[in-house]
Order: sequence, then C-alpha cells, then structure tokens
Amino acid sequence: DQQVKQNSPSLSVQEGRISILNCDYTNSMFDYFLWYKKYPAEGPTFLISISSIKDKNEDGRFTVFLNKSAKHLSLHIVPSQPGDSAVYFCAASGAGGTSYGKLTFGQGTILTVHP
Amino acid sequence: GAVVSQHPSWVICKSGTSVKIECRSLDFQATTMFWYRQFPKQSLMLMATSNEGSKATYEQGVEKDKFLINHASLTLSTLTVTSAHPEDSSFYICSASPRRVQYFGPGTRLTVT
Repeated sequence: DQQVKQNSPSLSVQEGRISILNCDYTNSMFDYFLWYKKYPAEGPTFLISISSIKDKNEDGRFTVFLNKSAKHLSLHIVPSQPGDSAVYFCAASGAGGTSYGKLTFGQGTILTVHP
Repeated sequence: GAVVSQHPSWVICKSGTSVKIECRSLDFQATTMFWYRQFPKQSLMLMATSNEGSKATYEQGVEKDKFLINHASLTLSTLTVTSAHPEDSSFYICSASPRRVQYFGPGTRLTVT
C-alpha cells in the first residue's frame, strides 16, 4: 500500500518558469511533510517542510502548499534553474511515539529544467 | 542543517562475507537513527529504526538477523549486512536529526559479487 504517491514520474520545465511537483498521501496520521532533492548515488538533501497546522511554507524560491482535506501537497519552484534538475521526493511522517522521525517516501519525480 | 556522514561510500564484497556500514551524526547527538535502502530507479525504503542503547526496530519484511544494527553511542549507528548475497546489492542510506527534519548521510553503494 503506497501511502505517499507522486504520480508524475517526470517533469520538464523551461528555465525561469515555475516547476510544480505534486504529492498525495492516504494516511491521515501524517502530520509533517517534507521535500527532498536527490542526485544519483547521493543521499537526499532537505529542501523544505510543512507542518499539518499550516497550509503554506515558503523559503526563497521554494514554496510548499498543503491541502489537508484533499490530502495533497505541492512544491513550487520559482524561478526554475538548470541546477534544480534532480529527483524530488515527497516524504511524510506521523506524530510522536514510534512514528516520530520515520519517513514514508513517494516514488520521486525527475525534474529537468532546460536552459 | 545537521550533518550526517557515512562510511564507506562504496564497497564491493564477495558473496557470503559480511559488510559493516557506519553512520555518524557529526554535530549533534542522535538517540534515533534510521536506515533506508534504495534500489535503482525506486524510492527509499525504510529498513529499520536504530535506537541508542536498545534493540533496533525493523520494518516488516526486513530480516533482523541479516541486517544487524548496533547503536552503541549517541553519534554512531552501524549496519552490518551478514552473509551478503548479490540480491543485497543496493544503495544504503542513513538519517538522523536533532529535530523533526531528517538529515541524510551521503549513502553507501554495496555491490556483492
């Protein structure tokens, strides 16, 4: 059962335009969501996160939106740069207890930003 | 952000041998660390939760006798792949954090021949 889903395996965007990466989840116990960027043969790099008590969090060019009722979140990158080309993973974790810190990952979306 | 290191970055071993991978938190103490595995073109799969001073908690389907985890100090967790076989070849990554956000090590590429 895939609790976190990224339905778009890939996304291609022109430099300077907006990149929108989407993620859906099914587990209503998730209360913290994160986006990571990953290159082949490297560990994921943290980009931005959002708590379930918020619906938006912004950090520079990166903004994450959370729609709890739809169990959907998205990552917006504006403006997109060629250096943003990588695999982007959405991840979710639950509140306290044994779930604290444990991440469930989506399948990843390959973002390609063309010059 | 917090810094997590892993060693070695890559290792090749013969089938039947054991391999130990280290995960260290460099600038914080971590009572909990996590071990993940990634197959080519697939997502990261949580293998186990490493708990300092106590037994690791393994995810369903992960053989605890195959993947031995030791979290002997607040900055070091080790994953030992015992009696490795070619199907154990994979990319192993650890994570840790002093807060809610998990920071990942650079990963270890294991190839079993």
